Amino acid sequence: AQSVTQPDIHITVSEGASLELRCNYSYGATPYLFWYVQSPGQGLQLLLKYFSGDTLVQGIKGFEAEFKRSQSSFNLRKPSVHWSDAAEYFCAVGVRGGADGLTFGKGTHLIIQP
Amino acid sequence: DTAVSQTPKYLVTQMGNDKSIKCEQNLGHDTMYWYKQDSKKFLKIMFSYNNKELIINETVPNRFSPKSPDKAHLNLHINSLELGDSAVYFCASSQAQSVSIQYFGAGTRLSVL
Repeated sequence: AQSVTQPDIHITVSEGASLELRCNYSYGATPYLFWYVQSPGQGLQLLLKYFSGDTLVQGIKGFEAEFKRSQSSFNLRKPSVHWSDAAEYFCAVGVRGGADGLTFGKGTHLIIQP
Repeated sequence: DTAVSQTPKYLVTQMGNDKSIKCEQNLGHDTMYWYKQDSKKFLKIMFSYNNKELIINETVPNRFSPKSPDKAHLNLHINSLELGDSAVYFCASSQAQSVSIQYFGAGTRLSVL
């Protein structure tokens, strides 16, 4: 079975600073990978996805992520964070070939310092 | 127009009651899902439906039953509610037969007293 690890439960970043959120997955084949963001009291919004091809993927709100097969990682980055980026970030993995649900990591809570 | 909508947004009820949460999607997707987010914000798949057929059913108590009157709707019915059922329940949908982007509703916060 697949699994996702987000090693950082909380991350605090100053506004304007760069951000990297870590995600490691476990799956026997090439996975589908996703980053979702959840603002307080809101549902989940897709930031970006990796299915195949270019390992550096661009998403909404200035986010990008890089798939590294050798490290089983899919880290999320942003060059300069804004106060509105404060939220919960979830990495997820999907399995090819079936209508299965996504397996989520436990999330990283991002705090932005002024 | 909201793509995936859930009602109600908040649900407060007593232990032992039966309740339902409704979900509708207007994306024309064939597969719909229910997820549970616990108090530590951990998200776990509960069910998925593809063309009105249950595809997966994780280790969820049989007090929970998904009901799909058509492919645009997947309702969640919960019998004999327990304190531990308190959580946020998310509905999602995607195109069928392959993992693709899942679109999530805003969630239903269930509080069992």
